[in-house]
Amino acid sequence: SYELTQPPSVSVSPGQTARITCSGDALPKKYAYWYQQKSGQAPVLVIYEDNKRPSGIPERFSGSSSGTMATLTISGAQVEDEADYYCYSTDSSGNHWVFGGGTKLTVL
Amino acid sequence: EVQLLESGGGLVQPGGSLRLSCAASGFTFSTYAMSWVRQAPGKGLEWISSITESGGSTYYADSMKGRFTISRDNSRSTLYLQMNSLRAEDTAVYYCAKTRLGISSYFDYWGQGTLVTVSS
Repeated sequence: SYELTQPPSVSVSPGQTARITCSGDALPKKYAYWYQQKSGQAPVLVIYEDNKRPSGIPERFSGSSSGTMATLTISGAQVEDEADYYCYSTDSSGNHWVFGGGTKLTVL
Repeated sequence: EVQLLESGGGLVQPGGSLRLSCAASGFTFSTYAMSWVRQAPGKGLEWISSITESGGSTYYADSMKGRFTISRDNSRSTLYLQMNSLRAEDTAVYYCAKTRLGISSYFDYWGQGTLVTVSS
C-alpha cells in the first residue's frame, strides 16, 4: 500500500521558519496537500496542489514539491500555528487516497 | 459559508451497526463529491470512502470494503455512512468532507466530526 512519510515532530521558536517534509514515491506525478489540525478541532486545508493557499490562510504558509518530497513552510511561525500537520496525496493510480502520519509542530 | 454537520455517532457493541449522517449547507451539495475520513483516538487521519456528485460512483479504502457503505441523498443535502460488523478498532471520530475530484482528489472543507465508540 502507498505511504507518505512525515517526521513525527518539529520544534521552532516564535518568528523562526518551520519546515515540515513529506515523502512519497508518487509525489513527482501527484499533487501534495497540507492540513492543519489544532487540538480538538477538525482539519483545515492550508495548502493545495503543492503550493496554492486557500483564501483566509495567512501568507506565512507556503508549499513546495520537488521529486519525491513535498515541503510545508511556515515563515515566521507564531504560537497559534502549534498544531498537527498532515500531508495528503494519492498513489500513482489515483485509487488510494493517503494521509501522512502527521507532524506535531511546537512553537515555543 | 460551507457547513457540514455529522450525527449518528455513539456507543455500539462489537459486531453491531451504525449509520452516520452528514447534513450539508452553504453550497450546492449535488455538484460536489463527498467523503468520509476517520481519526482513531490519538492517531492520524484515515480516508474511508468517497462518492461522486450523483452518487453513481463510490470509492473505498481497501480495509473498509465490504463493511462500510457510502451513499447520499441530494434532495436532502445529506451524506451517509452505513457501518456494519463494527470492531473495536473502528473506534474513532468520523468526519465528512466536501471533496474535489481531479488529478489528485482532495478535501476542502470538513465537518466537526462525530465520535463512534465500539465497546462491550
